[in-house]
Amino acid sequence: DAGVIQSPRHEVTEMGQEVTLRCKPISGHNSLFWYRQTMMRGLELLIYFNNNVPIDDSGMPEDRFSAKMPNASFSTLKIQPSEPRDSAVYFCASSLARGGHMTPEAFFGQGTRLTVV
Amino acid sequence: SQKIEQNSEALNIQEGKTATLTCNYTNYSPAYLQWYRQDPGRGPVFLLLIRENEKEKRKERLKVTFDTTLKQSLFHITASQPADSATYLCALFSSASKIIFGSGTRLSIRP
Repeated sequence: DAGVIQSPRHEVTEMGQEVTLRCKPISGHNSLFWYRQTMMRGLELLIYFNNNVPIDDSGMPEDRFSAKMPNASFSTLKIQPSEPRDSAVYFCASSLARGGHMTPEAFFGQGTRLTVV
Repeated sequence: SQKIEQNSEALNIQEGKTATLTCNYTNYSPAYLQWYRQDPGRGPVFLLLIRENEKEKRKERLKVTFDTTLKQSLFHITASQPADSATYLCALFSSASKIIFGSGTRLSIRP
């Protein structure tokens, strides 16, 4: 397996533009997490899905952020409109829950470095 | 509120010595605690997991302890090498099955 795949690796956009980040989890994994990492705040959990259903989005900073998981092999994180303070590295991770219990090991993608100017 | 603290932002030690990193948590009763390694420009990579009923876990030169009374985990790298230089993150499962990370400790091993 190629691991968790994120695209793009880098994104530079102007303030006010819409940004869409993409993630392909590891095949067979049924939990997916979106994290944001900055020097100031570290690695923050934004939202996570189990079996394609959003379970907890309490980490999503504002209504400008939205995430979808239309099927088991694809998820998007959208920011609209983007602002300079959204600049960060965004990571997607996936994990496998067995029998209702999470297998705790999370596998991370390479991340998307977002710069909003 | 639930909190995870890695109380050393950075740690510098001499090659060959044992590096010890600390992770403290409050308002949690985690079933598992994990440690990850993150290199610059890359995502975190899982290293070790320890369960609440385990006191100690080892993997090669790595050792993790878990004290649920003190609400603390210690992460040790013995016979440290420059290649061990990285940021190390501890992570917990919250009651809602979320994986929450500490802020990390940047470890530097000097030759």
